[in-house]
Amino acid sequence: SQTIHQWPATLVQPVGSPLSLECTVEGTSNPNLYWYRQAAGRGLQLLFYSVGIGQISSEVPQNLSASRPQDRQFILSSKKLLLSDSGFYLCAWMRGSSTDTQYFGPGTRLTVL
Amino acid sequence: AQSVTQLGSHVSVSEGALVLLRCNYSSSVPPYLFWYVQYPNQGLQLLLKYTTGATLVKGINGFEAEFKKSETSFHLTKPSAHMSDAAEYFCAVRQGGSEKLVFGKGTKLTVNP
Repeated sequence: SQTIHQWPATLVQPVGSPLSLECTVEGTSNPNLYWYRQAAGRGLQLLFYSVGIGQISSEVPQNLSASRPQDRQFILSSKKLLLSDSGFYLCAWMRGSSTDTQYFGPGTRLTVL
Repeated sequence: AQSVTQLGSHVSVSEGALVLLRCNYSSSVPPYLFWYVQYPNQGLQLLLKYTTGATLVKGINGFEAEFKKSETSFHLTKPSAHMSDAAEYFCAVRQGGSEKLVFGKGTKLTVNP
């Protein structure tokens, strides 16, 4: 069976510091991978998605970036965090078929102070 | 462009009462439709999905949803609410061939004893 991991689970960072969140999927190959952010009262916002190694699509211009160095690894980064980057970050994966489901990781709670 | 509207950001029911969470979508072609549930500080969990075939779809935890093409709706119901159903519920739509899901803003369900 497939599992998706995210770490860390919780993170408190000062404004201006760098960020690296990691997502790893087990039990499947060549998945589509996604990064979402939930900010209070704003629903689920798609940040980035990837259909293969090194292929990143950005949905929202911001100070965040994503990378996919390995087939089942997806990393969300920032060089300098802003207060507005606070939120709950969710990673998801999906097989490529048109009827398939997105499966979500447990999330990372980021607080920028 | 696809969009999803969830009527009511907060819904409150009594334990044992009917749960009805509304979802309407806009799409140029029949989409694939999903309901997810999110408990506090956790990732999203799939409740049910509609792709093709029978328009009444049964999911986990006693929930079901009916796809009504003429009304462009996919409302979620449960005959009798349980305290453990208290959570946030998200409706999502995916058009065939797209790698992305479009989410509604979510409905927070409160169950009163």
